[in-house]
Amino acid sequence: EAGVAQSPRYKIIEKRQSVAFWCNPISGHATLYWYQQILGQGPKLLIQFQNNGVVDDSQLPKDRFSAERLKGVDSTLKIQPAKLEDSAVYLCASSLGMGVYSGANVLTFGAGSRLTVL
Amino acid sequence: GIQVEQSPPDLILQEGANSTLRCNFSDSVNNLQWFHQNPWGQLINLFYIPSGTKQNGRLSATTVATERYSLLYISSSQTTDSGVYFCAVERESSNTGKLIFGQGTTLQVKP
Repeated sequence: EAGVAQSPRYKIIEKRQSVAFWCNPISGHATLYWYQQILGQGPKLLIQFQNNGVVDDSQLPKDRFSAERLKGVDSTLKIQPAKLEDSAVYLCASSLGMGVYSGANVLTFGAGSRLTVL
Repeated sequence: GIQVEQSPPDLILQEGANSTLRCNFSDSVNNLQWFHQNPWGQLINLFYIPSGTKQNGRLSATTVATERYSLLYISSSQTTDSGVYFCAVERESSNTGKLIFGQGTTLQVKP
């Protein structure tokens, strides 16, 4: 089974520029997560989708971050305009889905997209 | 929100040694997962263990939900075990799959 695919792996931009990250989850996984991991910290959830609907975006800085999962499969996370503090690894994860059974929320992560904002 | 505390923050072992990593959480949970982040940044799911004990090779985990802690045991450590170990939990009242991560334990295994 193919894993969670993310691109690009690395991106360097100037502050105030924009950037977009793409994620393709494991086939059949209804739930998709975007996490932000700042160096030396644990991942922090930015947004969670169930199919193409948003379940939780309470920690997404909506003035600069946006995300979509239009057809309930792959997803794009965008930052515009970027700030220095957005330098981090953006991790995408997927799971079978909420409430299917107790183990359906086991997360599988992609390799991440490392963003450096100069 | 729920607090997740991991200890120790850093651990250095000689190859072949055993270790125990601890995760304390401040509220009742229905979902607890342990992850290993390798030196290249890839997060690998080790265990889904909201309660009870599981074993997978040299690794085992125990969660005592009533006392709000979980332990990850690594036996006969190898250099490939190096990296950061994260505990992540979901509040019992949530049921959305939203995991809150601890700060991690950084493990270095020396040959």
